[in-house]
Amino acid sequence: DAGITQSPRYKITETGRQVTLMCHQTWSHSYMFWYRQDLGHGLRLIYYSAAADITDKGEVPDGYVVSRSKTENFPLTLESATRSQTSVYFCASSTLAGEGQETQYFGPGTRLLVL
Amino acid sequence: DQQVKQNSPSLSVQEGRISILNCDYTNSMFDYFLWYKKYPAEGPTFLISISSIKDKNEDGRFTVFLNKSAKHLSLHIVPSQPGDSAVYFCAASVNSNYQLIWGAGTKLIIKP
Repeated sequence: DAGITQSPRYKITETGRQVTLMCHQTWSHSYMFWYRQDLGHGLRLIYYSAAADITDKGEVPDGYVVSRSKTENFPLTLESATRSQTSVYFCASSTLAGEGQETQYFGPGTRLLVL
Repeated sequence: DQQVKQNSPSLSVQEGRISILNCDYTNSMFDYFLWYKKYPAEGPTFLISISSIKDKNEDGRFTVFLNKSAKHLSLHIVPSQPGDSAVYFCAASVNSNYQLIWGAGTKLIIKP
């Protein structure tokens, strides 16, 4: 199916475990993003990628690792999960359609609970 | 320190009336503003945007107003419909780049 998908949709893990959240888009968008949404904070950018093999930190990158070996995939890894990483994670992609006109298209989110 | 603030966590409006959602920002370097809408268990979807060179942008029932001197923007929905019930996020960027700074959201409830 066309669009942007995330897997898993729900995940329960334990403190200290490694967890990888997957994101896949079919539009060949150059840019991809990972956000977390917590109550009272809106969405906060974790990492973003401008193209394959190009990634950069966002506002809250600590404890997370990303990679982008293919344009369509942008996995997010929590190397050693902590309770503070319990959150809803959104992946997004975008492409420049004109100055200031680009928008970000979001996946449905992954709800992660760290026990 | 939140650079984009949506001070109303929720808003209830009668169907057919006008809904006004507000957003304040502190960073005078922001030059591009967006509104996103989010339903439960879904990702946000883009609604409308405005560049800092404008003070108004309209798209059907949705109008965004920007007051740069007050560092304030608002989203007007006229007339409000039941399907408008959702959480609305305000977001802003500097130099129209990809790093968006988001407000905490306002939950809009449209009463029949």
